[in-house]
Amino acid sequence: AQTVTQSQPEMSVQEAETVTLSCTYDTSESDYYLFWYKQPPSRQMILVIRQEAYKQQNATENRFSVNFQKAAKSFSLKISDSQLGDAAMYFCATILTYKYIFGTGTRLKVLA
Amino acid sequence: GAGVSQSPSNKVTEKGKDVELRCDPISGHTALYWYRQRLGQGLEFLIYFQGNSAPDKSGLPSDRFSAERTGESVSTLTIQRTQQEDSAVYLCASSSVTGSYEQYFGPGTRLTVT
Repeated sequence: AQTVTQSQPEMSVQEAETVTLSCTYDTSESDYYLFWYKQPPSRQMILVIRQEAYKQQNATENRFSVNFQKAAKSFSLKISDSQLGDAAMYFCATILTYKYIFGTGTRLKVLA
Repeated sequence: GAGVSQSPSNKVTEKGKDVELRCDPISGHTALYWYRQRLGQGLEFLIYFQGNSAPDKSGLPSDRFSAERTGESVSTLTIQRTQQEDSAVYLCASSSVTGSYEQYFGPGTRLTVT
């Protein structure tokens, strides 16, 4: 079965510092996508970053980057220069055919 | 264009009543998903629609839950004889089935069963 595990229920980071959120997954697929979604208090889920498994290069979107380790089935999210607006729940996810599998989330607190 | 919209944004209902939640997907998105998110939890898959194919209902928790979608338009999620454990945020998402499979989420409906 396809699973996604986020082992950090909560993380804190000082404003302007860097934080890394962990995610591991298990899949029997050879090609797949991985995602990080952000859910602020407004509840609106927003895609942060996406990685295609066949691409070796780590995806980057401005202050957000991933460390994708395919052999280890690890997909961590690094947020650089953290801002107060980054405070939210972050969900790691993968897709099996059409069905998304989400982790349980990590709540990120940003300290001023 | 417009994003995914859901209505109502909040719904309070008495135990035993039926409720209907609505989702308007992004125009042109053939895939539509419903999820349930209990307080402090992750997203729980409920049902998936793809075009005119038979929906994947494997995530519906009981026969009190049903959903419909006409073609590639609006979807409604109906919960009959609501129970307190049905209290949650119900999220809808739509996506194109080509390309990156990115899901676009609506703002959700917060359902409270008293």
